[in-house]
Amino acid sequence: GAGVSQTPSNKVTEKGKYVELRCDPISGHTALYWYRQSLGQGPEFLIYFQGTGAADDSGLPNDRFFAVRPEGSVSTLKIQRTERGDSAVYLCASSLLAPRNNSPLHFGNGTRLTVT
Amino acid sequence: TQLLEQSPQFLSIQEGENLTVYCNSSSVFSSLQWYRQEPGEGPVLLVTVVTGGEVKKLKRLTFQFGDARKDSSLHITAAQPGDTGLYLCAGTANTGNQFYFGTGTSLTVIP
Repeated sequence: GAGVSQTPSNKVTEKGKYVELRCDPISGHTALYWYRQSLGQGPEFLIYFQGTGAADDSGLPNDRFFAVRPEGSVSTLKIQRTERGDSAVYLCASSLLAPRNNSPLHFGNGTRLTVT
Repeated sequence: TQLLEQSPQFLSIQEGENLTVYCNSSSVFSSLQWYRQEPGEGPVLLVTVVTGGEVKKLKRLTFQFGDARKDSSLHITAAQPGDTGLYLCAGTANTGNQFYFGTGTSLTVIP
């Protein structure tokens, strides 16, 4: 497809379980971002990839959160030992160039994670 | 950490009214972007402003970047129900890789 694809669109899991959220960016986009968003709030930065490497992971809330982008395309956000406070919409975005080039972000529709 | 504060947080107006949304920061940004987000979807870019003092118009929407590149505003003229959504400012500080988003303004335009 032409846009950013995120799967699954919805995920319900029990407290303590492990989850993986997938992001398939626009082909050729070197930059990839993960954000977390609560209802009615602005997206909260989690991690930024430039190519295969995490250029900035300072937004990850704790060591239960981890993300990879092994081939510089698809990325997976991994959450261990999920907690109810992890419930949110997780958004992925990609852009053609790095942030300082003013390249616009293209977002997927997000994965709504609910931890029960 | 939210470097970009938006006001108001919520806005409910009648169709045909004008409104302004503000985006403020104590940090200098190399550029600011405005996005609109509808329920169940990701944010979609409206405009990018780069130069201090820059004004851009997109139909009924007017965007301004502050002279010091620390703030921005979005003005909507004669709002329509289709303008309803969450408006977000976003930008990159001069020294970082992070792309920060503002706290958001939820706009409802009542027919």
